Amino acid sequence: DTGVSQNPRHKITKRGQNVTFRCDPISEHNRLYWYRQTLGQGPEFLTYFQNEAQLEKSRLLSDRFSAERPKGSFSTLEIQRTEQGDSAMYLCASSASRDRPYNEQFFGPGTRLTVL
Amino acid sequence: GQNIDQPTEMTATEGAIVQINCTYQTSGFNGLFWYQQHAGEAPTFLSYNVLDGLEEKGRFSSFLSRSKGYSYLLLKELQMKDSASYLCAVRVNSNYQLIWGAGTKLIIKP
Repeated sequence: DTGVSQNPRHKITKRGQNVTFRCDPISEHNRLYWYRQTLGQGPEFLTYFQNEAQLEKSRLLSDRFSAERPKGSFSTLEIQRTEQGDSAMYLCASSASRDRPYNEQFFGPGTRLTVL
Repeated sequence: GQNIDQPTEMTATEGAIVQINCTYQTSGFNGLFWYQQHAGEAPTFLSYNVLDGLEEKGRFSSFLSRSKGYSYLLLKELQMKDSASYLCAVRVNSNYQLIWGAGTKLIIKP
């Protein structure tokens, strides 16, 4: 399978705990995006990497959220001191600049987070 | 501000044609995407428009009018498997960030 993969697929945690999600993009893709999606809504942009550089981060994102892409390949998204409002589907997507002009984003299956 | 509007839900009959509209007001415009999302699954790419006019791809077509801030997705010969949410997204700048609508849930009836 050469698509975008995400782990874990489901995560249940207690309020106040830290959680970390992993995304492995399509291997030749240099751009990687994190989104959050709640039921009945479209994806909400969280952050964007080009190679290992984090180029953009949503102003809506609190300091409890941090993302890394240390070697320009896989990425991790960490949420510290989780709150019930963090419960959502966390989607990762990747794209390649050489696919211009589409630069379409390919999505992973998502990680569903439930904060109790 | 950034705003993308789509109808919340639509119902159509198997074999028929349906048009899903999307209007947008964004700070910039660098292309409009349509994605399909089945319940519990990730969005998958359907179409892309950056110039005015109609783009046809099999049973699916997408139209764009930049002056009106308007797009539609046309689905022909509807099949039961087309039951899904259809998301309209606008790329607002060269950083490739997408602003998403809330999606239109399409229900296909036999």
